[in-house]
Formats: sequence, C-alpha cells, structure tokens
Amino acid sequence: DTEVTQTPKHLVMGMTNKKSLKCEQHMGHRAMYWYKQKAKKPPELMFVYSYEKLSINESVPSRFSPECPNSSLLNLHLHALQPEDSALYLCASSQASPRDGYTFGSGTRLTVV
Amino acid sequence: RKEVEQDPGPFNVPEGATVAFNCTYSNSASQSFFWYRQDCRKEPKLLMSVYSSGNEDGRFTAQLNRASQYISLLIRDSKLSDSATYLCVVNNPYSSASKIIFGSGTRLSIRP
Repeated sequence: DTEVTQTPKHLVMGMTNKKSLKCEQHMGHRAMYWYKQKAKKPPELMFVYSYEKLSINESVPSRFSPECPNSSLLNLHLHALQPEDSALYLCASSQASPRDGYTFGSGTRLTVV
Repeated sequence: RKEVEQDPGPFNVPEGATVAFNCTYSNSASQSFFWYRQDCRKEPKLLMSVYSSGNEDGRFTAQLNRASQYISLLIRDSKLSDSATYLCVVNNPYSSASKIIFGSGTRLSIRP
C-alpha cells in the first residue's frame, strides 16, 4: 500500500467538465508535488507546494488549478481540458529537504474525451 | 543539453547477468540523487538514494561521481523481476523549494 493516496484511480471527463483530483499523505511531509506522465515518457513536474504555499508552477496552463487546503492534502482542479491532457497524473510528497527521496501515489489515469 | 540524461535502452540481458546504467546531470549545484524504478502503468518507486561514498543494497550498487557529474546503478545477478524502467532522479535547489528532475528512463528487460 502506498503512503500517498490518490483518488480517483481512473477518470474520464469531457472537455466541458469540471473535475478534481485529490491527493493525501500522512507522513508529515511538508512538500507536495503534481506530476504529469505520458506513455513511455518520464514524469514532468507541474506544481510544487512547500509548507502549503505554491513554490513552483512550471508554466502550466490555467485549465489546471492546484490547491493545498492543508499540509496533508493536495488537489488539482481541472476545467476545459483538451484530449492531449490525457495522461497519468502523479502526486508525490517529501520532507522539505528531500534527502530521503520522494514518495509517489499510484496516480490518476485521466482520459479527456 | 538535457538536465538529466540517460541511455534509454532497452537493455535486454539474460537472467543472472550483471547490468549497469549511467546517468549524467548538468547542474553542478544538484544536491540529492536517486534511482527510481517504474513498472508498466505503475507509479515510480524509490529504489535507492545515491550517496557520495557509494552505497549498496543487496544486488544493487549506486555510485556518484560529482567531479564528472554522473551517477550509476549496477545490478548483479539480475532476476526476471528486475525488468522495469529505471529512472535517474536529481534534486536541484530552486528558490524556496527544490525541484526534482527525471531522466528519460532506461528500460531493462531480463530474459529467462
């Protein structure tokens, strides 16, 4: 069982829909991340939250909106996505100084139709 | 030049063989280094951190060469279950947070 829990595991949404991806960790980690991974490619960083504040936004389109309600939760709000946004969305967490690596959730496989 | 570069493979080796992967990174300020393993349609999982002194975990040995800016992973006595994509990961400081950069991954296939 992963210590970073993501829901839902699978999501199919239309281009006009609004949906949210959720991520939760109870390891006391103070940094949380959203990654996007396309098939046969490495994960690409989207956002970094450090101590519940957005620290890094990798020029992600505004149709992706992250939110960190508290130190254990990270959401990714989706609106007006395109079919090319279909991918595996991975959440990860780490200590603020991540010398011990990053723990990934099992991901949400998103399909935009 | 990519920030983290790996040979994409695939490496196709017989069970019991020894296989080694290298990874180079461009940012000399990089602080932490890791090898992750990712199985098909699964999330990346930490295989091992890489320390300056080198470290070993069973059949796996990781080395870091800061002067030449590369890290390596050696797998001895490979098993069928070692078949996966191995991702080199580098942590770079970035203002108030840190940013981890993934290499493109090296695919390893172990044949019976």
